[in-house]
Amino acid sequence: NAGVTQTPKFQVLKTGQSMTLQCAQDMNHEYMSWYRQDPGMGLRLIHYSVGAGITDQGEVPNGYNVSRSTTEDFPLRLLSAAPSQTSVYFCASSPRGFRPRGQYFGAGTRLSVL
Amino acid sequence: AQTVTQSQPEMSVQEAETVTLSCTYDTSESDYYLFWYKQPPSRQMILVIRQEAYKQQNATENRFSVNFQKAAKSFSLKISDSQLGDAAMYFCAYLLQGGSEKLVFGKGTKLTVNP
Repeated sequence: NAGVTQTPKFQVLKTGQSMTLQCAQDMNHEYMSWYRQDPGMGLRLIHYSVGAGITDQGEVPNGYNVSRSTTEDFPLRLLSAAPSQTSVYFCASSPRGFRPRGQYFGAGTRLSVL
Repeated sequence: AQTVTQSQPEMSVQEAETVTLSCTYDTSESDYYLFWYKQPPSRQMILVIRQEAYKQQNATENRFSVNFQKAAKSFSLKISDSQLGDAAMYFCAYLLQGGSEKLVFGKGTKLTVNP
């Protein structure tokens, strides 16, 4: 059972570089989300998607882009990395249901922007 | 906007004893869900327990139980017979029913288990 897979696990960028954090799930879940975790801040929602072709902004979307062309994949793009984007990033997925059961999380990507 | 507050940044407990982690939330909605997630040093987020707001009965999962007080907007987690493997960050989270699975997290409580 792969569940939610995030790559890479670690990444170091220089200010101004771009990169894409990958997220894939094999559970056929409709919902997918990206969170960032900073010390003392808990997890904050960046972007989310309720299905292929549909995305929306969360609490802290600035500096990030997403797209969802398939049910399985939900990549997060940093167009021009800034030191403020140094964080741990989590992808999560969940099935659509009348009574939510909770989200499944990937193992996270630790990103450092120098 | 909904907010979730965990007032205890750190807690400690002796192995085999019981500990309670606090969580309060602010919402004007009546139908929602509450969750506790565990994050061990491995960084993996693990769902511990789930509570549906329309249910008065408190959820229980083995050694983990909650005290859900809807009127007080309180959702505490009790861990019984604490084990060394329970040491982790614990996050309380809120989800609005009928929304888009947008979880709102508290800032977390770091639990230390002493042998």
